[in-house]
Parts: sequence; C-alpha cells; structure tokens
Amino acid sequence: DAGITQSPRHKVTETGTPVTLRCHQTENHRYMYWYRQDPGHGLRLIHYSYGVKDTDKGEVSDGYSVSRSKTEDFLLTLESATSSQTSVYFCATLAGGPTDTQYFGPGTRLTVL
Amino acid sequence: GDSVTQMEGPVTLSEEAFLTINCTYTATGYPSLFWYVQYPGEGLQLLLKATKADDKGSNKGFEATYRKETTSFHLEKGSVQVSDSAVYFCALGSANQAGTALIFGKGTTLSVSS
Repeated sequence: DAGITQSPRHKVTETGTPVTLRCHQTENHRYMYWYRQDPGHGLRLIHYSYGVKDTDKGEVSDGYSVSRSKTEDFLLTLESATSSQTSVYFCATLAGGPTDTQYFGPGTRLTVL
Repeated sequence: GDSVTQMEGPVTLSEEAFLTINCTYTATGYPSLFWYVQYPGEGLQLLLKATKADDKGSNKGFEATYRKETTSFHLEKGSVQVSDSAVYFCALGSANQAGTALIFGKGTTLSVSS
C-alpha cells in the first residue's frame, strides 16, 4: 500500500463546469498517473508525471490537464466537463521502473449531467 | 503498439472449482506482466507479477507463468472461493511505454457462488 488518497471520492457536476480531482501520496514515488475506467475499456491512461512539474499526455488526454507542484500531489482538471467524461478515475504511483508494482488509489466516481 | 487481450467474462463458477483466465499480449522487447484484482468499490491491487520469461508469479493460491513462446500469462487457481469474486485485469509494463505506464486488458469479472 503506497498511501494513496483521492479526493473527492464521489462527485456529481454539470456539463460545462470545471472539475479538479486530487491525488495525494505519502511514499515519495517518482511517477504518478491518472487513469479512467469505463465498462468494456479496462483502464486507459489520461496523463502521467515523472517528476515535479514534469508531465505528459497519455492515450485519452483530450479535455484534461494536470499539474504536479509537489512530489506528493497530482491534480487532474477537466477544463469543461462533458457527459463523456463520466467515469471512475484512478490515480496510481510507481517508485521505479517497468518491473515495479504500480499502486492504485481508491478511485473517484465522477458523474457529469 | 503494445496490447493485452484477456478473455471476456463474466466467468461464473461454483466454490472449489478450477479457474483459468486467459491473457495474451503483444509487445516489443521484454515486458513485465501483471495481474491486478479489483474488489467491488475498491481500487486495483496487485495480485501477482512476472518480470521475465518462464517466471511464475503466485499469491493467495493464484498462479501465472510468463510464456514468451506463446505470449501468454494465464491466471489459474485450483479451488476458488466466494471471496475471490472480483474483476481481474491482466497488464503489461514496458520501458517502451510512455512514463512506464501499464497497458491493461479490459478485465474479466469472476463470480463465485457457494
């Protein structure tokens, strides 16, 4: 367990509003990730970070932005929420390389009406 | 690009039955392979992993062997319990992936009845 918390755990919002999801870790892991989970798609990578202020896009990054101002915090922002962004969002961390275990947070269920 | 294919569910078994969930992958180089499990309402947690060919990962009675010749990493358990009911994800990790992110299969739902 890498001590990952996500907030909020549940959120309902309306189309067109901005939304920010927060991920906080206590293990000082270098890499942090945001995935979304949708039925029939498994988990897909939105954005990732490989250090403070170092971020890059994943497979499904359109409509999302991220920021990492501290090692322990990774924020995901939906600039103008749409119904297609209704999903469960998971944050994950990784200490080292591709052979290491990724640890996942408990998830945030977001509903966009 | 790299990809993971796992059998579609749901898989419905009686307690003490034998479980196999198939997983195959496509990758360049030498990926690491993982099985994650997701219990209802929770995040994913690592079940087992293997980092090179012929390695066997095992945990809680589950096993999977990294087969490079068949590009497979099938999950097995000899006797399932009701508490094993969950969604199981096969995943691939590679230095080729941006940020060493994981590539996931779509997940297989397992339901075990007593």
